[in-house]
Amino acid sequence: EVQLVESGGGLVQPGGSLRLSCVASGFTFSSYDMHWVRHTAGKGLEWVSAIGTVPGDTNYSGSVKGRFSISRENAKNTLYLQMDSLRAGDTAVYYCARGKYFWTAPPNYGMDVWGPGTTVTVSS
Amino acid sequence: DIQMTQSPSSLSASIGDRVTISCRASQSIGSYLNWYQHRPGKAPKLLIYAASSLHSGVPTRFSGSGSGTDFTLTINSLQPEDFGTYYCQQSYYTPRHGFGQGTKLEI
Repeated sequence: EVQLVESGGGLVQPGGSLRLSCVASGFTFSSYDMHWVRHTAGKGLEWVSAIGTVPGDTNYSGSVKGRFSISRENAKNTLYLQMDSLRAGDTAVYYCARGKYFWTAPPNYGMDVWGPGTTVTVSS
Repeated sequence: DIQMTQSPSSLSASIGDRVTISCRASQSIGSYLNWYQHRPGKAPKLLIYAASSLHSGVPTRFSGSGSGTDFTLTINSLQPEDFGTYYCQQSYYTPRHGFGQGTKLEI
C-alpha cells in the first residue's frame, strides 16, 4: 500500500525549532518529487516547500524561505522539514505529499498521495 | 506568483443536488489545474488533474472543465460523504503550486 506518515509535530515557543519527518512506503521514494503543504482554518491549504529528485533541487514559499529547510534521505525513504525561527503564523497541520506527473497532453502534475498530517503549534 | 480565486467561499446543498464551484487564475494557465477535496481530520484527496481528468478511484459524479483562466468543478448527485472543503491548485508554475482559498461545501 502506498503510504506517507508524518511525525515530529508539537508545541514550540516562538523563535524555536522543530523538525518534521515523513516516512514513505509502498513506492520508489527516490523517484518522486515531494512536498510539504500546511493547513490552517484561516488560510486553507498553503504550499510550503518542495524537493525534487536531483540533489539541490529545493523550493520554498516566500513565507518560509530562509527559515525552513527541506531535505530527503532516500536510503530511509524519509522526507524532512527543518523549521527554525518559528512564528505564531506557522501554527498549522503539516502534510507531506507526493508529486506525480500525469501523462496527459501536455503532461500535468499533481499531488496524488498525502499523509494524515502532523500538528505544529507555535505559542508561548 | 499566480493567484487562484474560488467562488463561492461556501455553499449549502442537499443530497442529490448538482453543485458547481468556480476557480479563476490571475493569468492563463492552460489546463494546468487540479482539484482537491479536504474533509475535516483527513488528508486532502486529489480529485481532478489537468482540469478535466478524473483521478483513479474518484467517483464519476465529479467532473472538471475549463482552460486558460476559468475552471469549474461539478459534483452531480451530491452524496453525504461529499461535504468538506474543495480547493483548486495551479500546476503551471512547478513546483510553486498555489492553492485557491477553498470552497466549503455543507450538506
